Amino acid sequence: GAVVSQHPSRVICKSGTSVKIECRSLDFQATTMFWYRQFPKQSLMLMATSNEGSKATYEQGVEKDKFLINHASLTLSTLTVTSAHPEDSSFYICSANDRESNQPQHFGDGTRLSIL
Amino acid sequence: AQSVTQLDSQVPVFEEAPVELRCNYSSSVSVYLFWYVQYPNQGLQLLLKYLSGSTLVKGINGFEAEFNKSQTSFHLRKPSVHISDTAEYFCAVSDRGGGFKTIFGAGTRLFVKA
Repeated sequence: GAVVSQHPSRVICKSGTSVKIECRSLDFQATTMFWYRQFPKQSLMLMATSNEGSKATYEQGVEKDKFLINHASLTLSTLTVTSAHPEDSSFYICSANDRESNQPQHFGDGTRLSIL
Repeated sequence: AQSVTQLDSQVPVFEEAPVELRCNYSSSVSVYLFWYVQYPNQGLQLLLKYLSGSTLVKGINGFEAEFNKSQTSFHLRKPSVHISDTAEYFCAVSDRGGGFKTIFGAGTRLFVKA
């Protein structure tokens, strides 16, 4: 079945570092990918919608210069957390829609980001 | 815009008892509805989804949910729970014309006791 791969699954880095998270659709083309953030014991909050070949659409309150999204191909979207700080520590999850089937999105397994 | 309300933040229940996790949504357009389960330190697993057709949807692990358009609800039920069902459950909604942008409820912690 359709699979969305997210990498890395876990990252620990120092404050001030920029961290890139990849989201790949392995066996389908995804015109749209979504990025979510989940703080401990909270729900998933949509951060942005990533559209292949165009700029991402950010939700209210999400800093686009802080969270850079690139969707350069139909199978890959990346989220870069720039100059990360401890408050950016969270669980980041991506999802992707299968363009051909027009079915609801498939989720990646998430990336746990810890900023020291 | 859509919104999702999960009415219970925590639901404790004894093993082999039935359980219902409540979910209400609001939307100005037609929607798809989902229930996901998340075990500690893991990603999301889709339990079931309502896209169209029969309002009673059966999912994995013995769960089912019923879409009630008039009450804008999509409650999740299981007739007999197991210890292994202890997890966080999220109700979610996505609008049919919005590229499947999905909004999640706050989650319900199901705690199954022996």
